[in-house]
Amino acid sequence: ILNVEQSPQSLHVQEGDSTNFTCSFPSSNFYALHWYRWETAKSPKALFVMTLNGDEKKKGRISATLNTKEGYSYLYIKGSQPEDSATYLCAFSDARSGATNKLIFGTGTLLAVQP
Amino acid sequence: DTAVSQTPKYLVTQMGNDKSIKCEQNLGHDTMYWYKQDSKKFLKIMFSYNNKELIINETVPNRFSPKSPDKAHLNLHINSLELGDSAVYFCASSQDTAGEQFFGPGTRLTVL
Repeated sequence: ILNVEQSPQSLHVQEGDSTNFTCSFPSSNFYALHWYRWETAKSPKALFVMTLNGDEKKKGRISATLNTKEGYSYLYIKGSQPEDSATYLCAFSDARSGATNKLIFGTGTLLAVQP
Repeated sequence: DTAVSQTPKYLVTQMGNDKSIKCEQNLGHDTMYWYKQDSKKFLKIMFSYNNKELIINETVPNRFSPKSPDKAHLNLHINSLELGDSAVYFCASSQDTAGEQFFGPGTRLTVL
């Protein structure tokens, strides 16, 4: 059974704080790691797709790193703003599955940014 | 100019009924998906089609049948609805097998 775990489950920070959360996934037969941002009452929106060990991606104040050898990815938000409040999901795909677009999602980290 | 659209947005029905949810994408993508968000808000893949061909079929009761009339559409038909089918169902699409997936707004199905 492939397991994707995210921590913490939820996080409350003040506006301006920087924060980070973790996604753990199986370290063997890695294909890709996705990060999605999911605002309440909306649909998940892709932030990053990472495929290479050591990948670092950045979009504005949000960045992510990938370590496929040890099976983890970090998502960082610099200077959190209230509009960053959302659930952040990571999803893993396995090269063995025969369907590399079959994403196994974690349960997400719920971020709440207080003004 | 919605990218991935689903209809209906809400669906309330009685146990035992048959219902369909429609999904359309105007992104020109080759691959489409159905996901179920369960009561713990966990997103789980159900089906995926690539160029109208079924490529992912997870352990889903055979009361659920996807149909892809063309690359831009993937519909989900559910027979003999049960209480446990109540969930939010998301459609998504992607350009290829490694790319980001674009999600529709979701259909909240309530079975009474």
